[in-house]
Formats: sequence, C-alpha cells, structure tokens
Amino acid sequence: QQPVQSPQAVILREGEDAVINCSSSKALYSVHWYRQKHGEAPVFLMILLKGGEQKGHDKISASFNEKKQQSSLYLTASQLSYSGTYFCGTEENSGYSTLTFGKGTMLLVSP
Amino acid sequence: DGGITQSPKYLFRKEGQNVTLSCEQNLNHDAMYWYRQDPGQGLRLIYYSQIVNDFQKGDIAEGYSVSREKKESFPLTVTSAQKNPTAFYLCASSMGARSTEAFFGQGTRLTVV
Repeated sequence: QQPVQSPQAVILREGEDAVINCSSSKALYSVHWYRQKHGEAPVFLMILLKGGEQKGHDKISASFNEKKQQSSLYLTASQLSYSGTYFCGTEENSGYSTLTFGKGTMLLVSP
Repeated sequence: DGGITQSPKYLFRKEGQNVTLSCEQNLNHDAMYWYRQDPGQGLRLIYYSQIVNDFQKGDIAEGYSVSREKKESFPLTVTSAQKNPTAFYLCASSMGARSTEAFFGQGTRLTVV
C-alpha cells in the first residue's frame, strides 16, 4: 500500500520554507526521500531508519516518527534548484522489503 | 564513472508488439529494480532481482517479463499482454541490503500507438 504524501503541490518564493509529509499505515523500518526533476532520474536525498539513524544530504533535514509511521522533509531557505517532485519511499518492518513510493509532492520555487 | 544506463531514452512501438527495455549498471550492485511511472501515480514496482538468475514480481508485474543472466544487466520486456504500456520506465539498482540508497537510470519513455 502506497504511503500518503501531503501536500500534493507547493509553490514557494525563493527563500521560503516548506514541509512535505509522508504517512504510512504499515509499521516501517525506514523512510527514503528522493527528488525528481521533470524527465530525469530520481535523486537520493535521505534515508531515515527506525532507531533514529539518518543517512544522506547535509543540507536537507527530515524527521521520522516511528510511533505514528510518519516522516517529514524540511526544506528551509528554498532555492530555485529545489524545484521538482519529491517522493517518499517506505520500507516495511517485516523481513526483506522493497521500497513503496508515494505519489509525490510537486514543489515549485519561483524567484 | 559508475552508473546505471537505460536505453533507449524514447521508444515507439505499434500495439501488439513486444518491446525490450535495456538496463545496465557498473556499480557492482546486487539488487536491480524496474519501476513504472505514470502522471500523478508515483513509482510503482514491476519486478526486482536481488541476485543473478533470480527475480520476483512487484506490484504490477502483469504483462511484463524480465531476466537476470548477468549481474550488470536487467532487461524488461513489455509484452502485448500489457493493456496500457505507454509510460515512463525507470530502472534502479542498490547494494541490496536493507535501507541502502537506490541509484536510478535516466528512464525510457515508451509510447505505444
């Protein structure tokens, strides 16, 4: 079952902040975040694991609430290059699990 | 440079024809994946392989087939049984252990007319 992302789309002016949320009904082992520009490959941003470990981008922050199975990606002081579609991918707690991606959140940063 | 290569970037086929999409990686990754992307749907898993000569169906495997004869290669065949094959197809690879970063190819946009 796909995780639910919100909002579906965000429009920002350069320098503004945004939060993108990802929520699952399953018990999660990890949450992954990717950004995709139109017609290009998704690019890895961050992995958050249960227990608090994080791997990824120095300039991007995120949180993972294990009790609620929710993750949030925080984009602060947005730049034009932040524009794109952000996907969360969730990995379930049980055994080997492939990533299940949400439908994405489109972010547009304007000058 | 290490990476994952998909070819071709654009592909046009007539309805009823099978078509094979290529995916090659030189990252020495064990696991490889095929995703389909439709507008507003996110990435949906078609097939994945954790090791050579073994692969598993994903969420939307019907109408597709794969092979994994070499570690570097994971081609996807879109068969005539796939009812709505026009889409953007992404191949990815990872080291295969839990919670490892996935590297994606540039994608193949398939249009069936």
